[in-house]
Amino acid sequence: ETGVTQTPRHLVMGMTNKKSLKCEQHLGHNAMYWYKQSAKKPLELMFVYNFKEQTENNSVPSRFSPECPNSSHLFLHLHTLQPEDSALYLCASRGQPNQPQHFGDGTRLSIL
Amino acid sequence: DQQVKQNSPSLSVQEGRISILNCDYTNSMFDYFLWYKKYPAEGPTFLISISSIKDKNEDGRFTVFLNKSAKHLSLHIVPSQPGDSAVYFCAASEDNNDMRFGAGTRLTVKP
Repeated sequence: ETGVTQTPRHLVMGMTNKKSLKCEQHLGHNAMYWYKQSAKKPLELMFVYNFKEQTENNSVPSRFSPECPNSSHLFLHLHTLQPEDSALYLCASRGQPNQPQHFGDGTRLSIL
Repeated sequence: DQQVKQNSPSLSVQEGRISILNCDYTNSMFDYFLWYKKYPAEGPTFLISISSIKDKNEDGRFTVFLNKSAKHLSLHIVPSQPGDSAVYFCAASEDNNDMRFGAGTRLTVKP
């Protein structure tokens, strides 16, 4: 139990579907992150939120839309995804700078 | 531009022996380095870290070494145990900015 919970754990969707990934942290952290992990590639940072404000968007296509309603919850809204978007999507949170990030167990996303 | 590189995708070691995982980086401004461990179907978990003001940090069986002049980081596990079999990621950050990760090395410890 890392204190970061992601749902769902697995998601299969068609290219025209709309779905959302959810992340919740119970650690009192102020920063939350979305990462994408494709096979045999480094974790790719997608979005960063600090104190609910988006501070980084690493050239992520607009078919991925993050939402951070409060410092404990983070969503990733998905719309008209492509097959190459199939990957493991990881959420993480962090307290103070230069402290380790805590990861959830991820959502395994498959696009048909 | 991949700033953190783990050039060995896999490593196999006999139980009881030393495991050495390597990581190279290109950004000389990185000042904080971490190792994460990941089991299948779980997220990465933090293992050990080191600040750039040090060249070694030890925690039980795990030791991280930092060679700033070579821009090289290594993780030593001794003695290795079958439960250490996992994917290990190194990560680095600069001046409290967000971390950059390597692609991971899969360690297999054989009984």
